[in-house]
Amino acid sequence: SQQGEEDPQALSIQEGENATMNCSYKTSINNLQWYRQNSGRGLVHLILIRSNEREKHSGRLRVTLDTSKKSSSLLITASRAADTASYFCATDAGGGSEKLVFGKGTKLTVNP
Amino acid sequence: GAVVSQHPSRVICKSGTSVKIECRSLDFQATTMFWYRQFPKQSLMLMATSNEGSKATYEQGVEKDKFLINHASLTLSTLTVTSAHPEDSSFYICSAPDWDRGGSPLHFGNGTRLTVT
Repeated sequence: SQQGEEDPQALSIQEGENATMNCSYKTSINNLQWYRQNSGRGLVHLILIRSNEREKHSGRLRVTLDTSKKSSSLLITASRAADTASYFCATDAGGGSEKLVFGKGTKLTVNP
Repeated sequence: GAVVSQHPSRVICKSGTSVKIECRSLDFQATTMFWYRQFPKQSLMLMATSNEGSKATYEQGVEKDKFLINHASLTLSTLTVTSAHPEDSSFYICSAPDWDRGGSPLHFGNGTRLTVT
């Protein structure tokens, strides 16, 4: 499988600081997505970046994609305590099925 | 926006019993639904793809007779954990693409925490 790998596995920062999470994957992709999961809850979609895009912004989120290195990063700027959650990258398996393969996730803790 | 409703959010059952989890798309037709399983502090692992009107497609290593999936309508898919055992305790999450809106991103239910005693 082309399960992504996020690093770090856990990240603890102070409110106001930036948080950077990285994701690597193994095979060719159509797009890469980042999701957020609060403890014990479902996933919330944050941002989708297509394979022909290199960078995308959404509010305080910035995602980069390097298909040559098969890696992506998620940057959260000016973090808030409410950003505390687990963040997962997910890649599509291709073929138009929308079947996603998730990485292991980064648990982000933002301390007030 | 599109919403997927998953029920129940939490269930405790005794070993040997069966548990049914429902996943409904509330404002779109979900011809496809995905069922994931998540162990504590781990990632989501795809169990099966549920297809309306046809048999589900199971991922390698997932027991079809253990995890029964039924997708009888365009808005409802169910996952039944049969003869549950403590090792089936996990967090189960469904998701569905809204094909009328291009399929991506997927819409996720809020998950079901299953505890088998």
